[in-house]
Amino acid sequence: EAGVVQSPRYKIIEKKQPVAFWCNPISGHNTLYWYLQNLGQGPELLIRYENEEAVDDSQLPKDRFSAERLKGVDSTLKIQPAELGDSAVYLCASSFAGDRDEQFFGPGTRLTVL
Amino acid sequence: AQRVTQPEKLLSVFKGAPVELKCNYSYSGSPELFWYVQYSRQRLQLLLRHISRESIKGFTADLNKGETSFHLKKPFAQEEDSAMYYCALRTNAGKSTFGDGTTLTVKP
Repeated sequence: EAGVVQSPRYKIIEKKQPVAFWCNPISGHNTLYWYLQNLGQGPELLIRYENEEAVDDSQLPKDRFSAERLKGVDSTLKIQPAELGDSAVYLCASSFAGDRDEQFFGPGTRLTVL
Repeated sequence: AQRVTQPEKLLSVFKGAPVELKCNYSYSGSPELFWYVQYSRQRLQLLLRHISRESIKGFTADLNKGETSFHLKKPFAQEEDSAMYYCALRTNAGKSTFGDGTTLTVKP
């Protein structure tokens, strides 16, 4: 099994441009997480979905960030417009039984904003 | 708000020596604590969780609620243990908070 799939793996854009990241969780996993990881720091939760419902988006900067998981399977995270400080690794993770289960992480998307 | 602190950014030991990676937390409720590991060029993955009380790859971690710590220990480090280690806390509401990680290097 491929595990959690993320694309693209790397993205370089200029500031003020839009960018989107895609995540396909492990089949059957109902819970999906998006994390932001800055260099030298641990992952920080941006948003957590239970099926198609965003149950925790308190850390998502809603002025420029948006996410969707329309059919409760794959998900897209968007930034518009991107700022220099958004350069980071964006991690997607999924779990089977929600909060109580092990999270499986994807390889991440490394974003560089110039 | 909850917080996880890993005081050591870098830790270096020789092969066969004991190793302890420190993790301290602050949370007013009853937390779940985890250790995640990321080997070079691999994904972040779960190493162990306190409720399982398991020993994984020779590592153990005991939750000390009095000292609010969850230190990771291994009596004899191996070169393949070299990796980045993250301590994480999950609240009763399901929110996960990670520490900033410790890079462990095991020298031959």
